[in-house]
Amino acid sequence: GAVVSQHPSRVICKSGTSVKIECRSLDFQATTMFWYRQFPKQSLMLMATSNEGSKATYEQGVEKDKFLINHASLTLSTLTVTSAHPEDSSFYICSAPGYVGNTEAFFGQGTRLTVV
Amino acid sequence: QKEVEQNSGPLSVPEGAIASLNCTYSDRGSQSFFWYRQYSGKSPELIMFIYSNGDKEDGRFTAQLNKASQYVSLLIRDSQPSDSATYLCAVNSINQAGTALIFGKGTTLSVSS
Repeated sequence: GAVVSQHPSRVICKSGTSVKIECRSLDFQATTMFWYRQFPKQSLMLMATSNEGSKATYEQGVEKDKFLINHASLTLSTLTVTSAHPEDSSFYICSAPGYVGNTEAFFGQGTRLTVV
Repeated sequence: QKEVEQNSGPLSVPEGAIASLNCTYSDRGSQSFFWYRQYSGKSPELIMFIYSNGDKEDGRFTAQLNKASQYVSLLIRDSQPSDSATYLCAVNSINQAGTALIFGKGTTLSVSS
């Protein structure tokens, strides 16, 4: 099946620094990538949708200047958390739509971000 | 606001019993429904998907969909301790950028041996 590779799996950073998370589609071209965030015991919340070659679409309440998304190629989408704060500590997951009606999703392994 | 509601649990069942997980959704336009299993600190893995009203069986798992009631469920027969995890219900949602999945908060299942 399709594989989405997400890195890093874990990152600890200091408050005020920026962190970049990468998601690569290994055996298919992902024109769209969804970025989710999950706090402990909470649901996966859709943050934004990136489309190759165009600006990302952000969900209501998500700061586009804080969560920079780049989808420069058909196999790579990145999420950069800028000026990270402890409240940004969360589990970030990317997913690419599948082949059948764009409804199934292929998830990356997730990134556990801890801001200290 | 499109919502997917699940009872957070925990749902505790003995080994060998049937576990029943329920989910309701608000968007009548949703056409695809998914059940994912998630272990702590890991990304979700797809258990089943269902598009049509009725039942869909796959091994020990049965998904049930009732679009009129906006209700979808997952039955796990002969529950095993390895089934202990959080089960996420998800429905598709068409936004301006494409089709994303909207997730419920998940139901934690604990199967005791």
